[in-house]
Amino acid sequence: DAGVIQSPRHEVTEMGQEVTLRCKPISGHDYLFWYRQTMMRGLELLIYFNNNVPIDDSGMPEDRFSAKMPNASFSTLKIQPSEPRDSAVYFCASSRTSGGAYEQYFGPGTRLTVT
Amino acid sequence: KQEVTQIPAALSVPEGENLVLNCSFTDSAIYNLQWFRQDPGKGLTSLLLIQSSQREQTSGRLNASLDKSSGRSTLYIAASQPGDSATYLCAVKRGSTLGRLYFGRGTQLTVWP
Repeated sequence: DAGVIQSPRHEVTEMGQEVTLRCKPISGHDYLFWYRQTMMRGLELLIYFNNNVPIDDSGMPEDRFSAKMPNASFSTLKIQPSEPRDSAVYFCASSRTSGGAYEQYFGPGTRLTVT
Repeated sequence: KQEVTQIPAALSVPEGENLVLNCSFTDSAIYNLQWFRQDPGKGLTSLLLIQSSQREQTSGRLNASLDKSSGRSTLYIAASQPGDSATYLCAVKRGSTLGRLYFGRGTQLTVWP
């Protein structure tokens, strides 16, 4: 399997622009997670889905952030409008229920810079 | 709320040393604990996963132990190598079917030749 795939790997945008990050989880995984990592705050969970349904979005910083999972193989995280403080590395991860392990596998991340 | 702490925040050792990284968590009602490695500019790679019913897991030169009652886990790295240089993070999953992990801030390890 190719692992968790994220695109783009790097994104540079100006303040006020819309940004869309994309994720393809590992085939057969029923959980999908979006994280944000910064030096100041470490790794933060933003939202996670189970069987394409959002379960916990309490980590989404504000209404400018939204996430969707239209099907089992694709998810997006959108920021509109973007602000400089959104600059971070955004990770997508997936795991599966079967077997009970719930081991999480991370994608390579998207490095977002908002100027 | 689950709090996960990792000590030390940074560690620098010469090649060949055996070393221990520590992880502590405040709520002992965990489902499992996972150790990850993160190289600079990269994503997280899962190293070991310990179920709450287990005491330890081993993979090559890595050994992770879990003491749920005291809220502690250790990652033991034997015969360290420069290639082990990375940040090591531990994460715990709550004792339920909910999926989220709670992460520590990590230990940045440097192994010099």
